[in-house]
Amino acid sequence: EPEVTQTPSHQVTQMGQEVILRCVPISNHLYFYWYRQILGQKVEFLVSFYNNEISEKSEIFDDQFSVERPDGSNFTLKIRSTKLEDSAMYFCASLGQSSGANVLTFGAGSRLTVL
Amino acid sequence: DQQVKQNSPSLSVQEGRISILNCDYTNSMFDYFLWYKKYPAEGPTFLISISSIKDKNEDGRFTVFLNKSAKHLSLHIVPSQPGDSAVYFCAASAFGAQKLVFGQGTRLTINP
Repeated sequence: EPEVTQTPSHQVTQMGQEVILRCVPISNHLYFYWYRQILGQKVEFLVSFYNNEISEKSEIFDDQFSVERPDGSNFTLKIRSTKLEDSAMYFCASLGQSSGANVLTFGAGSRLTVL
Repeated sequence: DQQVKQNSPSLSVQEGRISILNCDYTNSMFDYFLWYKKYPAEGPTFLISISSIKDKNEDGRFTVFLNKSAKHLSLHIVPSQPGDSAVYFCAASAFGAQKLVFGQGTRLTINP
């Protein structure tokens, strides 16, 4: 079954450092997403991406965040200068159809720990 | 802004019994609802969905009920099995919007 793959599975970084989280969405999907989940909290929408541009972003997705699809397969989330509160699980997802309905398929997540 | 709410953070059910997970929403523009299941150290996995034109959708042991007037949906799992122990997230989207809004999740524990 097609899946969304994410790397790294866990990254530890110092506050103020740049981090890039990588994702390979399902190949025939057109919409891509980043969500995050701070420990013990709900899964929160960060950004959606379609046709090589951001289609929607949340207020969490400020100037410190950026997304890119540098080639035909990878979809990246960059955090320019990490803060302690950026520590979370970051989930990539892509949108496809399952039994005729639109469904987001999520990757296993990248755990970011900012020290 | 809690547009999707799961008011029970946890639920414990005996194996073989019915598990009922509840979800409320406030945005009347939502017309598509999904349930996701999440195990530790994994991403959410799609379980079942329902469109607002229906009030029930069934898939094996899983049934989702939608009450539009009450802005409420529920997931029924019967019979519950130990492998169902996970965190369950309710999610919703509005027509034309390509994002999901998630609830806080309910941790379901199935006791043998």
